[in-house]
Amino acid sequence: ELKVEQNPLFLSMQEGKNYTIYCNYSTTSDRLYWYRQDPGKSLESLFVLLSNGAVKQEGRLMASLDTKARLSTLHITAAVHDLSATYFCAVDIVNPGTASKLTFGTGTRLQVTL
Amino acid sequence: DGGITQSPKYLFRKEGQNVTLSCEQNLNHDAMYWYRQDPGQGLRLIYYSQIVNDFQKGDIAEGYSVSREKKESFPLTVTSAQKNPTAFYLCASSIDREYNSPLHFGNGTRLTVT
Repeated sequence: ELKVEQNPLFLSMQEGKNYTIYCNYSTTSDRLYWYRQDPGKSLESLFVLLSNGAVKQEGRLMASLDTKARLSTLHITAAVHDLSATYFCAVDIVNPGTASKLTFGTGTRLQVTL
Repeated sequence: DGGITQSPKYLFRKEGQNVTLSCEQNLNHDAMYWYRQDPGQGLRLIYYSQIVNDFQKGDIAEGYSVSREKKESFPLTVTSAQKNPTAFYLCASSIDREYNSPLHFGNGTRLTVT
């Protein structure tokens, strides 16, 4: 059974600081997704990571994937209040001919304080 | 604009009643999914469907049923057999895993059963 663990579960950081969220998973996979969720809202896709060593950046967020370590990171640079949200990683197990079946981590609730 | 529409946004039911949550997409996506989210937790897969007239159980299918009579529609019925139905329900769709596309989510239905 695939397990996806994120840490920390809750992160309070000051504006302007840097921090990293970690996503570990238990089974070989080369497809990993990061999503953002604002309170009471739906999920918004941030990054799709499809190969070992993949790195994607958008604004103050950068995601990377190490399939050998079964680890993805989401790095936040110079945090701003607008980044406050819950961030989920999700892992897809490749089964040929079948639909994606994502397993989500428990989420990291990020609170950026002024 | 293309997207996924879930209705209603809020739903209140008495214990012992079945209730159906609507999910419609005009993205021409083949695959559709239902996830459940409980407070402070990640998403858990209830059911998914890769093509019309076919669907598969996810990790927590007990007490739920679905149908996929049309490509655009994937309604979820929460039956009285579901022991803890109060939750936030998210519908999602994807083109096809061959395109490595992320799931697109609807805005969710918050179900409260008393």
